[in-house]
Amino acid sequence: DIQMTQSPSTLSPSVGDTVTITCRASQSVTISLAWYQQKPGKAPKLLIYKASSLESGVPSRFSGSGSGTQFTLTISSLQPDDFATYYCQQYQSRRTFGQGTKVELK
Amino acid sequence: EVQLLESGGGLVQPGGSLRLSCAASGFAFRNYAVNWVRQAPGQGLEWVSVISGRGDTTLYSASVEGRFTLSRDDSKNTVFLQLTSLRADDTAIYYCVKDRTVPWDAFDLWGQGTMVTVSS
Repeated sequence: DIQMTQSPSTLSPSVGDTVTITCRASQSVTISLAWYQQKPGKAPKLLIYKASSLESGVPSRFSGSGSGTQFTLTISSLQPDDFATYYCQQYQSRRTFGQGTKVELK
Repeated sequence: EVQLLESGGGLVQPGGSLRLSCAASGFAFRNYAVNWVRQAPGQGLEWVSVISGRGDTTLYSASVEGRFTLSRDDSKNTVFLQLTSLRADDTAIYYCVKDRTVPWDAFDLWGQGTMVTVSS
């Protein structure tokens, strides 16, 4: 099975900062990579699919990049609504989530 | 309204069984693969199973293979997840989730989840 490793596990940025979260796959997933945002008590929400495609309705401050085994989610000019947990997920072979990155208020 | 609505969760003893249902509305259900994703209390997301739009392919995670069975009834716009031989570590919120496009894709629609608690 393909393993997904996210880093860091926790981030404590300030509003307005640029945030970068990294996801590494144990083998190539080409661009079959998605990013989700989850807030407490809520179901996750799709942000990015195919590594870099922005889901409809998602603010343009969210962007994704990468291919193969290395991927990045970038949040430019972090907003108060962006404090949440973020997960990467591969769907190249079955599906696997990363362990999550919590973006918390400093 | 486009939505997925799960039901069937509850408290069950170790070794017991449950059947979860996921009712879809607002989209062409039969075209899309449907998954179950679970989240144990305070933990991350774990993919459990997927059934293809045609129902001819089902895949399971190693942790549930042989114990859970996923099926779909397109006439009722519903998928069913049969859980057997339940263990304490199956305790989680179970989300029904739709693939964004065919044949396989990211998850663009999530249900609100149903809680399964395995405890004596």
